[in-house]
Amino acid sequence: AQRVTQPEKLLSVFKGAPVELKCNYSYSGSPELFWYVQYSRQRLQLLLRHISRESIKGFTADLNKGETSFHLKKPFAQEEDSAMYYCALRAGANNLFFGTGTRLTVIP
Amino acid sequence: NAGVMQNPRHLVRRRGQEARLRCSPMKGHSHVYWYRQLPEEGLKFMVYLQKENIIDESGMPKERFSAEFPKEGPSILRIQQVVRGDSAAYFCASSPGVNRDEQYFGPGTRLTVT
Repeated sequence: AQRVTQPEKLLSVFKGAPVELKCNYSYSGSPELFWYVQYSRQRLQLLLRHISRESIKGFTADLNKGETSFHLKKPFAQEEDSAMYYCALRAGANNLFFGTGTRLTVIP
Repeated sequence: NAGVMQNPRHLVRRRGQEARLRCSPMKGHSHVYWYRQLPEEGLKFMVYLQKENIIDESGMPKERFSAEFPKEGPSILRIQQVVRGDSAAYFCASSPGVNRDEQYFGPGTRLTVT
């Protein structure tokens, strides 16, 4: 069965510090991984997807099939990065499986 | 393009009543997905619909829950005889219809059962 695990419910970092939000998945096939973000009072939106291999707002995420991980990283956190982050897996059909989310707070 | 619209944003129902949640997809989108988020949990897939068809309802409880996406009008998630455990945020997402494309989310409907 598919599963997405985000071990940290809360993460606080200082502005300018590196940030890493952890995501591990469980899926027997070839997964497609995503990071979604929800800023305060806004709707959930796609941040990045592993197949794009791009950097969005300074964030990157590399799919590591050996460790079944898709950690989200940014070298220098900004205050505007404070939000709820969800890792998601698409397996087979179009529906997504979400982790429980990590609330990132960037301290000024 | 106003994005995915959901209404109502907040819905309060007494136990035993019916709840109807509406979702209007983005213009040009023919695929709709419903997710439920219980307190302290992630979003859980419920059902995936195309116009007039249910494609995958594997995440929907077998009883009391139903969903439709008619040829005209919004998609509707219907919960009959609501119970306290149905209290949650219900999110709708839509996609254009090309396989494995991005899903755009609505603001959600928060259902409270008293």
